[in-house]
Amino acid sequence: AQKVTQAQTEISVVEKEDVTLDCVYETRDTTYYLFWYKQPPSGELVFLIRRNSFDEQNEISGRYSWNFQKSTSSFNFTITASQVVDSAVYFCALSQANTGNQFYFGTGTSLTVIP
Amino acid sequence: EAGVTQFPSHSVIEKGQTVTLRCDPISGHDNLYWYRRVMGKEIKFLLHFVKESKQDESGMPNNRFLAERTGGTYSTLKVQPAELEDSGVYFCASSHMTVGSLAFFGQGTRLTVV
Repeated sequence: AQKVTQAQTEISVVEKEDVTLDCVYETRDTTYYLFWYKQPPSGELVFLIRRNSFDEQNEISGRYSWNFQKSTSSFNFTITASQVVDSAVYFCALSQANTGNQFYFGTGTSLTVIP
Repeated sequence: EAGVTQFPSHSVIEKGQTVTLRCDPISGHDNLYWYRRVMGKEIKFLLHFVKESKQDESGMPNNRFLAERTGGTYSTLKVQPAELEDSGVYFCASSHMTVGSLAFFGQGTRLTVV
């Protein structure tokens, strides 16, 4: 079965602190894709990153970085030097080759950055 | 280029009434998806269109939900009659390819059934 777990429901940090959002996934498929989306107060889901199961290389984009580890089935997201504009709900998602492009989402982590 | 748009952004209806949600995908995207998030829970898949055909509707909760995509362009999701447990945020997404493709989401329709 496929499942995405985001154990952190809510996180609060003070501005400029670093914060890591955890994501653990389950899948039996060898070909799958992992995503992170950001949902700001306006409601839309904004794409942040996509990773396929054959590429474990970590990625850094500005203050954002992602750590993909197949050995622990995790795809964690770190924000460095957090800012108030980072306050949002963040969703981790999984899609698999054998189920079309249907996304399996975690329950989301609500991040609040306090000025 | 316009993104995925959903209408209305909010809807409050009474139990037993009918509501129709609309989604306009990104032009040229054959794949259209409906998802729903009930408060505090994960965003769950409802169904998937490829052009005008239903590819997968395994996530549709029951026969009170009817989705259509006539002509393979915009899609509607009708709830009739609405029940209290139908409250949530309904997201629409579209993508160009089927597998591993980036999905673009709309802003969602917040449905409240009272």
